Amino acid sequence: EAGVVQSPRYKIIEKKQPVAFWCNPISGHNTLYWYRQNLGQGPELLIRYENEEAVDDSQLPKDRFSAERLKGVDSTLKIQPAELGDSAVYLCASSSRDGSSYNEQFFGPGTRLTVL
Amino acid sequence: AQKVTQAQTEISVVEKEDVTLDCVYETRDTTYYLFWYKQPPSGELVFLIRRNSFDEQNEISGRYSWNFQKSTSSFNFTITASQVVDSAVYFCALSDAYNFNKFYFGSGTKLNVKP
Repeated sequence: EAGVVQSPRYKIIEKKQPVAFWCNPISGHNTLYWYRQNLGQGPELLIRYENEEAVDDSQLPKDRFSAERLKGVDSTLKIQPAELGDSAVYLCASSSRDGSSYNEQFFGPGTRLTVL
Repeated sequence: AQKVTQAQTEISVVEKEDVTLDCVYETRDTTYYLFWYKQPPSGELVFLIRRNSFDEQNEISGRYSWNFQKSTSSFNFTITASQVVDSAVYFCALSDAYNFNKFYFGSGTKLNVKP
């Protein structure tokens, strides 16, 4: 079974530029999460989707961040414009409501963003 | 409010030593889940264990064991006979009672196992 796929793995941009991250969750997982992980810290939830609906986006900085999950599968997280403080690893995770792995989150390798 | 504290920022041990990673949590809920994840240098968080608040039995899986004590709000993780491959950052996490999909992560403990 393929895991959570994210691209790109690394991105370097200058401040004020836009950037987008893509995530493909595990097949059949209806819940998708975007986390931001700052250096030396644990992941912090940005947004959670149940199918195509964003059910928790309370931590998403909506002035510059946006996300979408069309058709309830792949998701894109966008930052426009990027600021220096956005440098972090952006992690995508997915989970299923079914079976013994209920609420166990499976993580992708992340996208390391550097804003210069 | 939910909070997870991992006071040990970094631990270094020599291979074959036992090591315990501490996790203390705060919650007002009576129903919740606790997790441990491993993050190797590749970056991907790997699930290790999930424990619900009604099950205080300790668990052992190979060289890994977990000690859950509600009285002290702790969920500690012990690696017996550590190996170099155990080197990683380990995160403890707590899930919300009303929304088991909402995780609160600690700041992680970096474990260095030296040969």
